[in-house]
This record gives sequence, C-alpha cells and structure tokens, in this order.
Amino acid sequence: AQKITQTQPGMFVQEKEAVTLDCTYDTSDPSYGLFWYKQPSSGEMIFLIYQGSYDQQNATEGRYSLNFQKARKSANLVISASQLGDSAMYFCAMREVNSGGSNYKLTFGKGTLLTVNP
Amino acid sequence: NAGVTQTPKFQVLKTGQSMTLQCAQDMNHEYMSWYRQDPGMGLRLIHYSVGAGITDQGEVPNGYNVSRSTTEDFPLRLLSAAPSQTSVYFCASSYSGVGGEKLFFGSGTQLSVL
Repeated sequence: AQKITQTQPGMFVQEKEAVTLDCTYDTSDPSYGLFWYKQPSSGEMIFLIYQGSYDQQNATEGRYSLNFQKARKSANLVISASQLGDSAMYFCAMREVNSGGSNYKLTFGKGTLLTVNP
Repeated sequence: NAGVTQTPKFQVLKTGQSMTLQCAQDMNHEYMSWYRQDPGMGLRLIHYSVGAGITDQGEVPNGYNVSRSTTEDFPLRLLSAAPSQTSVYFCASSYSGVGGEKLFFGSGTQLSVL
C-alpha cells in the first residue's frame, strides 16, 4: 500500500485564486511529520511547510497553509492568492519516527503538477 | 549560505563505469540522505546516515555505496553503472529543532548511463 497518495496528477488555477493540493497518508506510528516541497521546472526541491503529528494547530508559512486532518489522515496544501511563479510540481512527504529505527527517512508521493493561468 | 552542495550537476557514464557523486553540507546536520527521482515515481530513498560513521539502506540501495567519515560529507558511489541508474539524484540534510523539522536538498545531479 502506498504510504503517501497524491490523487491529482495535475491541477489548474487562475492567478490570484486559492488552490488546494490533496495528500493522504498511511502510518501506524503515533509520531510522524508531514512535509510539502515545490519543484519548479529548474529542478531544485524547495521546502514549503512542515506539520508534526502532535501539532495542535495547522502549519502556515506565508501564502502556504497545511490543512491537517489527523483522523482522516490527510495533509492538504492550500496556496492562497496563486501567482504565476507557483506553477511547479508539488510533492507531499511523510517522515515516520520508527521506520527502520531511524528518523528522517522520508517517503514521497508522486506529485501534483500545478499550472497557474494568467 | 552554501547549504547542501552537490557535484557534479550533470554526468554521462558508460555501462560498467564507476563514479562518485559528492555531497557536502555546512549546517552541521546529523542526518543526511540520498534520493533518486524518476519520472512518475516521486523521490525514493537510496541510503541515509544518522551521523558520522553510521549509514543504512533505504528503499532502493542496490548498486550504490555510501560512507560518512565526517559530519559534512556524504558521497554516493555507483560501483558499476547500469542504464537503470539513469536518474536525477538528490542529496539532503535535515535537522529537528524549535519550529519543527526541515530537510534541505542539494540542487541535484542528472545522471545518464549509456
């Protein structure tokens, strides 16, 4: 079974509108972390936002927020006021504490390609 | 702010050749890892290290070796390159502290094996 599922291969949004990118995860560990990364066409991986499983509030970083619904095992990324520069591939990832007895082994989803239209 | 430095950015190998991808970080992070990215697959973990002298296998370790003699450096060795190792490789380092966790990636190495 996939640990990270991103069901939207591609998404389109109009400039200045908000968009939600979906991510569901599967783990039996009580302690885990969820990450979102942006990969523009230039190829680098840019850290966007992090949510810990014990965090009481949803994480926010500027125009990015994470809609964390623990019971549903979802960690959707919300981008407000989309900009043309937001066009990129977006990856959701999960870090499990007890995976192999070590931290920082991230499992990535297959990504969502976001296109922002002018 | 060097962050995570990967070299080379591009490399072409012939089947059977060996090479080392270099990775260095200047943030004193204990955790470092190598990923490969293939079309439609996301990123997959090759090897990781939780500190100098300690390494372990990830999801797709076959055909690769790593070592971690210092905190700063985490090279990835391809022992005998195969076309299936054509991919984009990312090195990463990470920490956990106040404000949560962050994992930083290098700029990537595009490797082609002919």
